[in-house]
Amino acid sequence: AQKVTQAQTEISVVEKEDVTLDCVYETRDTTYYLFWYKQPPSGELVFLIRRNSFDEQNEISGRYSWNFQKSTSSFNFTITASQVVDSAVYFCALSEARNTGNQFYFGTGTSLTVIP
Amino acid sequence: DVKVTQSSRYLVKRTGEKVFLECVQDMDHENMFWYRQDPGLGLRLIYFSYDVKMKEKGDIPEGYSVSREKKERFSLILESASTNQTSMYLCVSRSDRVPGNTIYFGEGSWLTVV
Repeated sequence: AQKVTQAQTEISVVEKEDVTLDCVYETRDTTYYLFWYKQPPSGELVFLIRRNSFDEQNEISGRYSWNFQKSTSSFNFTITASQVVDSAVYFCALSEARNTGNQFYFGTGTSLTVIP
Repeated sequence: DVKVTQSSRYLVKRTGEKVFLECVQDMDHENMFWYRQDPGLGLRLIYFSYDVKMKEKGDIPEGYSVSREKKERFSLILESASTNQTSMYLCVSRSDRVPGNTIYFGEGSWLTVV
């Protein structure tokens, strides 16, 4: 079973539009961490945010915001007023604290294209 | 800053060749991982290691092996490369001593098998 689901494979938006990337996760642990990573065309993964399971407060960082809802097991990512530089593949990931060795579970990624 | 270095950024190998992908981290991390990334499939775990000489299979270990003789180095080995192993390979490192499970990525190695 997929532990992290990113149902949107590809999204295209016009510059300045808002866009939300969905992430749904599955875990039985009470302690876990959720992440978002950005992978621009250069290929390197860039860390965007980490959220632990005890902190449901939403976070805003500039044009980026994250909505963590344990009731729906979702950790969605919104980009406000999108820009061409936001074009990238975005990965959501889950880490369960109890795992020895701590595998990370990644979603399959959402490819975002922002059209000028 | 933690640095995870993958020895080769771009490689082209012939079918049947033995391929070594090297990964070195400089922060004394216990855990190291190898993933491959393919379009539409995301990041899939091949192998991971939580200590020297220890290794665990991930989701897609077939056709691969690994070696962790020293803590800082985790090597991915393709004994006999095949075209379906053309992919981007990512090395990841993580410490048990750092709270929050933050992981660190290498730059990626783009392997083409012809």
